Amino acid sequence: DGGITQSPKYLFRKEGQNVTLSCEQNLNHDAMYWYRQDPGQGLRLIYYSQIVNDFQKGDIAEGYSVSREKKESFPLTVTSAQKNPTAFYLCASSAGDVMRDTQYFGPGTRLTVL
Amino acid sequence: KQEVTQIPAALSVPEGENLVLNCSFTDSAIYNLQWFRQDPGKGLTSLLLIQSSQREQTSGRLNASLDKSSGRSTLYIAASQPGDSATYLCAAPNQAGTALIFGKGTTLSVSS
Repeated sequence: DGGITQSPKYLFRKEGQNVTLSCEQNLNHDAMYWYRQDPGQGLRLIYYSQIVNDFQKGDIAEGYSVSREKKESFPLTVTSAQKNPTAFYLCASSAGDVMRDTQYFGPGTRLTVL
Repeated sequence: KQEVTQIPAALSVPEGENLVLNCSFTDSAIYNLQWFRQDPGKGLTSLLLIQSSQREQTSGRLNASLDKSSGRSTLYIAASQPGDSATYLCAAPNQAGTALIFGKGTTLSVSS
């Protein structure tokens, strides 16, 4: 059963704490993406990776970090430097670049700062 | 820089009505345009992808069109059902072709 999994579904962070959101895909896709969704603001790109061991900053990368050590995995760390991390985080993947291929999305992780 | 806009932000219709959702974009040198559906608290589900060489795509009761010259795409939903209630988002590639630029979505409510 192919798809994208994200965990956890809900995550609570205390002030000054780093947290890591998991994203795994078994679609054999090369490209993976992280988006942040806030009410009324749509989706905004945090980081993307087009190939293993390579990733690029998106529009709102400050306070976030990623790694791409395996093709199927693209974890996102929300650091204490991110001042307003409460949001819904969505991971996506595509076979190739967005000029040609559809993006497939995971179910999301809702992060709340306590 | 590509910008994507969706108007209206919300739409309510009675069951059975045919409806059109609108999406506009600023850069007509567009490679494709995608429509997604999002249910509350869930991820996005791809509905249709229209390549720039195509004028429209159909899937069941859904039909999406693309007019590059006017910078517009529409999603037509025929014979709407309460199960169609969701937020519909359109998206186009950014100019670098590295990720998608999303509109803010239209939240559709279909009443029975």
